[in-house]
Amino acid sequence: EPEVTQTPSHQVTQMGQEVILRCVPISNHLYFYWYRQILGQKVEFLVSFYNNEISEKSEIFDDQFSVERPDGSNFTLKIRSTKLEDSAMYFCASSGNSNTGELFFGEGSRLTVL
Amino acid sequence: GENVEQHPSTLSVQEGDSAVIKCTYSDSASNYFPWYKQELGKGPQLIIDIRSNVGEKKDQRIAVTLNKTAKHFSLHITETQPEDSAVYFCAASYNYGQNFVFGPGTRLSVLP
Repeated sequence: EPEVTQTPSHQVTQMGQEVILRCVPISNHLYFYWYRQILGQKVEFLVSFYNNEISEKSEIFDDQFSVERPDGSNFTLKIRSTKLEDSAMYFCASSGNSNTGELFFGEGSRLTVL
Repeated sequence: GENVEQHPSTLSVQEGDSAVIKCTYSDSASNYFPWYKQELGKGPQLIIDIRSNVGEKKDQRIAVTLNKTAKHFSLHITETQPEDSAVYFCAASYNYGQNFVFGPGTRLSVLP
């Protein structure tokens, strides 16, 4: 069964450092998303991406964050100058057609900022 | 913007009993309501969803009901099994998949 894969599974970084989280969405999907889940809290929307541009973003997704689809398979989330409060599980998701609604989530990348 | 509330935050049931989790939403424009199951250390997985033109949907032991007037929807799991133990999230979306707003989650424990 096709799946969304994310790397790394866990990254530890020092405050102020840049982090890149990588995702490989399901190959024929067109819509890509990043969500964040702080430990013990709900899953929060960060950004959606379609046709090589951001289609929607939340208040959380400020200038510190950026997304990119550098090639035909990868979808990355970059966090510049990480802060302690960026520590969370970051989930990538993809969907084939927004009208079907179903998001397929990856297993997440745990980011720990020290 | 949309706000989704979910109750209870934790729920313990005996194996074989039923479990019900309820969610309310605030934006009447929302038209798609999925339920996700998250097991420890894994990403959320869709277990059932319902669209605004349907009042109820069932898939084996899982059912979801939607009351658009009252802006609430519920997940029903019958004949619970230990492997149903997980955190369950409801969500609401206004355009079939973009920008889900998730509820805070319910930790379900099924006791053998």
